[in-house]
Amino acid sequence: QSVVTQPPSASGTPGQRVTISCSGSSSNIGSHYVYWYQQLPGTAPKLLIYRNDQRPSGVPDRFSGSKSGTSASLAISGLRSEDEADYYCGPWDDSLSAPVFGGGTKLTVL
Amino acid sequence: QVLLHESGPRLVKPSETLSLTCTVSGGSVTSGSHYWSWIRQPPGKGLEWIGYIYYSGSTNYNPSLKSRVTMSIAIFKNQFSLNLTSVTTADTAVYYCARGIGDYEGFDYWGQGILVTVSS
Repeated sequence: QSVVTQPPSASGTPGQRVTISCSGSSSNIGSHYVYWYQQLPGTAPKLLIYRNDQRPSGVPDRFSGSKSGTSASLAISGLRSEDEADYYCGPWDDSLSAPVFGGGTKLTVL
Repeated sequence: QVLLHESGPRLVKPSETLSLTCTVSGGSVTSGSHYWSWIRQPPGKGLEWIGYIYYSGSTNYNPSLKSRVTMSIAIFKNQFSLNLTSVTTADTAVYYCARGIGDYEGFDYWGQGILVTVSS
């Protein structure tokens, strides 16, 4: 059981905007930056969002992150078929003194 | 561009030790701004952090694996390694090495992963 919680699945149609939530506590999201990772089928996770809302170079601005209190969200606008992937949030956790991951959200593009 | 590459046996027998090495290129394991981590993903499941090591040799391990995990760093080879003892079929997973950013932050670069199967 992860210390941060994500919905197991999300879906949308091409062009739509979808959001994926990540809920934690004061010892993780409430105190630290949130990172988001995208894992395309059969590949390694890739950094998608860092420090809550920053995009690495090469990540389209269709992807955005936000954080409020002990929750964070990933938003994907203008949904495309190639966005179909698993998405993981990952803050640091003070209780473990370690990085943690949410359980992952499988995004399906209908 | 930082690249990480996992290597090691892909098949390990139950009760034996799983040993993996991560070779880093385009960056240095002696960087004081980063930590080096192992993360695994059982087939069809989510990500599980195994542990991390700093270039100083300081480590921290997942409490659920702590009694079986050892990590080390080889500065002159620009590598870090994972040993997981007394493996069972539950340890079958894709094992990733990754670079963590600074203190209390996440991972910016990941290896491609290596599938390790525990089976007799």
